[in-house]
Amino acid sequence: DSGVTQTPKHLITATGQRVTLRCSPRSGDLSVYWYQQSLDQGLQFLIQYYNGEERAKGNILERFSAQQFPDLHSELNLSSLELGDSALYFCASRRTGTGHGYTFGSGTRLTVV
Amino acid sequence: AQTVTQSQPEMSVQEAETVTLSCTYDTSESDYYLFWYKQPPSRQMILVIRQEAYKQQNATENRFSVNFQKAAKSFSLKISDSQLGDAAMYFCAYRQIQGAQKLVFGQGTRLTINP
Repeated sequence: DSGVTQTPKHLITATGQRVTLRCSPRSGDLSVYWYQQSLDQGLQFLIQYYNGEERAKGNILERFSAQQFPDLHSELNLSSLELGDSALYFCASRRTGTGHGYTFGSGTRLTVV
Repeated sequence: AQTVTQSQPEMSVQEAETVTLSCTYDTSESDYYLFWYKQPPSRQMILVIRQEAYKQQNATENRFSVNFQKAAKSFSLKISDSQLGDAAMYFCAYRQIQGAQKLVFGQGTRLTINP
């Protein structure tokens, strides 16, 4: 157990639907990062939150949004889902300070049918 | 923008032998971090080793070591005494010191261990 908890582990949904992925960071970590891992795009950075505020955006589609709550857990919302959104979505957390590494959750496998 | 390239989509090695995975990157920054992550079939991303760019000494973690060539922007991973449990996808990743501090990943190398 890495300390970063992602739910659900698997999700199957239809095109056009909306889903919410949840991430609880490791205790004490203020930063949360979301990554998408697909077969053709590899691991892509989506978005970062730090202590409730958005810090950086990567290749995140407008149909996707995220937030970090006061208890530091984060949610990634994916709407108007398309077949191409099928991927493994990782959350990672990190302590403040440049020397600290990331701790990854086990990911949510999203399948859009 | 920073990029990371892993030119070996697949590698294989005999158990107990040594294998080296290649990684090159492109950046205009002088200070940064480089990482190797392992992703076994369980899909969990596991940190293997980390290198700070300002350190000339190559990082080592048990059977895992790196050859960091800053001028050449090369960061290879050497696995000694390969074990069956080393079979996985290996990702090289870059992180800048300032700014978003996001990880930029290479496309990965699938390592197979032959018994």
